[in-house]
Amino acid sequence: GEDVEQSLFLSVREGDSSVINCTYTDSSSTYLYWYKQEPGAGLQLLTYIFSNMDMKQDQRLTVLLNKKDKHLSLRIADTQTGDSAIYFCAEQDSGYSTLTFGKGTMLLVSP
Amino acid sequence: KAGVTQTPRYLIKTRGQQVTLSCSPISGHRSVSWYQQTPGQGLQFLFEYFSETQRNKGNFPGRFSGRQFSNSRSEMNVSTLELGDSALYLCASSSQGSETQYFGPGTRLLVL
Repeated sequence: GEDVEQSLFLSVREGDSSVINCTYTDSSSTYLYWYKQEPGAGLQLLTYIFSNMDMKQDQRLTVLLNKKDKHLSLRIADTQTGDSAIYFCAEQDSGYSTLTFGKGTMLLVSP
Repeated sequence: KAGVTQTPRYLIKTRGQQVTLSCSPISGHRSVSWYQQTPGQGLQFLFEYFSETQRNKGNFPGRFSGRQFSNSRSEMNVSTLELGDSALYLCASSSQGSETQYFGPGTRLLVL
């Protein structure tokens, strides 16, 4: 069945780069997403990548996709304290709306 | 464009009661999906509605139901509430369903 795995916790210092990793199992996934959730809030779409892409850059965010290994990563450059949140990786199957989420990675940025 | 809105934001109910949650999608979006978020199970898909029809359903008991109106607004209903139904219920909308999904702020339900 479909499964998405993420490490649970990452701690970095302000100004450093953060890398959050994710692995998925569904080879038919066509879209892969990164969402951010702050305490008490809903999910904010950060970025997404099509499965036929290797990399996508959007300002401080870089997404890398290794389709062979089913590995997705999110790099946040110059991490700020406001980036502290839980980050969710999600996969979406072709033609369907259903998202399968990982358990989320809590990113803690210290000054 | 206004984002996805959900009402109410917070709700307290007791076991055995029923509850109705509402979601208004982004203007022009016809697909609405519902997810349940709990600390133990994480984010789990409940169901998706498109053009007033349920198109997809997750693995939840029949106590969980939903519907969509002609203006794409959606409601979900949980009957005979159990303590384990305490969760953050998130609604997401997208244009056709298979594209990028945008989430609302959620409704936090506490069952006592």
